[in-house]
Amino acid sequence: GQQLNQSPQSMFIQEGEDVSMNCTSSSIFNTWLWYKQDPGEGPVLLIALYKAGELTSNGRLTAQFGITRKDSFLNISASIPSDVGIYFCAGRGEYGNKLVFGAGTILRVKS
Amino acid sequence: DAGVIQSPRHEVTEMGQEVTLRCKPISGHNSLFWYRQTMMRGLELLIYFNNNVPIDDSGMPEDRFSAKMPNASFSTLKIQPSEPRDSAVYFCASSVLARLETQYFGPGTRLLVL
Repeated sequence: GQQLNQSPQSMFIQEGEDVSMNCTSSSIFNTWLWYKQDPGEGPVLLIALYKAGELTSNGRLTAQFGITRKDSFLNISASIPSDVGIYFCAGRGEYGNKLVFGAGTILRVKS
Repeated sequence: DAGVIQSPRHEVTEMGQEVTLRCKPISGHNSLFWYRQTMMRGLELLIYFNNNVPIDDSGMPEDRFSAKMPNASFSTLKIQPSEPRDSAVYFCASSVLARLETQYFGPGTRLLVL
């Protein structure tokens, strides 16, 4: 089945630094999504991308839908302590209605 | 606005017992999803419903698992009999049918089977 490779697995950065994480797939996706999960909570949708090449921002977060439709990245600028959590990419393929999730990137911010 | 509501938030039970997890989707959403999250396997889709009808249950691990959606505002996921390997966080999510990919998750039920 479809799989997403998300990297890095974890990051420990200094407050104020920019962060970049990405997801790749061997198959084409029609939609890319980025979620954040805080400890003890469910994933919260951050950004949804619907077209190849699309670049979308949500505050300090910016995500792009790769031209090949097989990848996406998420950038966080000027990180702050509340950015801590697990970030998941998810994609919806050409067929079917299911989302496939990446394994997540654990972000820790040192203040 | 109320988000997806799940109950209970935590459940500890003994092997062999029946477990019922409950979900109330966001009002107006007509698609509902049940996921399981574990360290080993990440987030896995178990089953989803469109307009209260089960569409794809290929992710349901085995016959011990069953899910129902009797109306647009309520769904249950039942495990009978439960086993220790069922221990996980179970999430319910909902979306509008026209935007199945933009799912809103509940807070999850943390299940521990002893």
